[in-house]
Amino acid sequence: GQQVQQSPASLVLQEGENAELQCNFSSTATQLQWFYQSPGGSLVSLLSNPSGTKHTGRLTSTTVTKERRSSLHISSSQTTDSGTYLCALGDSGYNKLTFGKGTVLLVSP
Amino acid sequence: EAAVTQSPRNKVAVTGGKVTLSCNQTNNHNNMYWYRQDTGHGLRLIHYSYGAGSTEKGDIPDGYKASRPSQENFSLILELATPSQTSVYFCASSGTYLYFGAGTRLSVL
Repeated sequence: GQQVQQSPASLVLQEGENAELQCNFSSTATQLQWFYQSPGGSLVSLLSNPSGTKHTGRLTSTTVTKERRSSLHISSSQTTDSGTYLCALGDSGYNKLTFGKGTVLLVSP
Repeated sequence: EAAVTQSPRNKVAVTGGKVTLSCNQTNNHNNMYWYRQDTGHGLRLIHYSYGAGSTEKGDIPDGYKASRPSQENFSLILELATPSQTSVYFCASSGTYLYFGAGTRLSVL
């Protein structure tokens, strides 16, 4: 089945610095989504980007399908960005997703 | 605003007992999912459903049953709970994006 590897496992930044999160996967997929999990545990979808580049607010995701990798760039990080970022892939059209273990981001003031 | 509500939020059960986790969505989504999240494993799919009356096995269905009696409701049933099922359980529904509930923390003693 699909394998999803995220790196780094954790990242510590000063407020205002940029973050670059990586997601590598074992086989191509028609769905790729990035999620944010707050320190309290709530999960929200950030964006969907199965190929190409997508921007939303301070987030930019670039997915290179043939190289089986995706990145999430967070510009001008804020303390409220602290949490865990999860990459997830699926291929069924039903959002049946396989998740990576996540990158824990800590942004200090 | 898409809404997925899980109950209970916290549950302590005894080994061998029956546990039912409930999920209600007001998104009118056809697809619903149950995931569990454990340290070191990330989110793993237990069961999912394409609509009322349907349930499908996910990646780790052993020891779990699911029930989808209506579009809005999706339950996860542990007939004989074991300590290895101690975890945080998330329900989700999806249209284009996945919307998660707040999670249920289950401890099986």
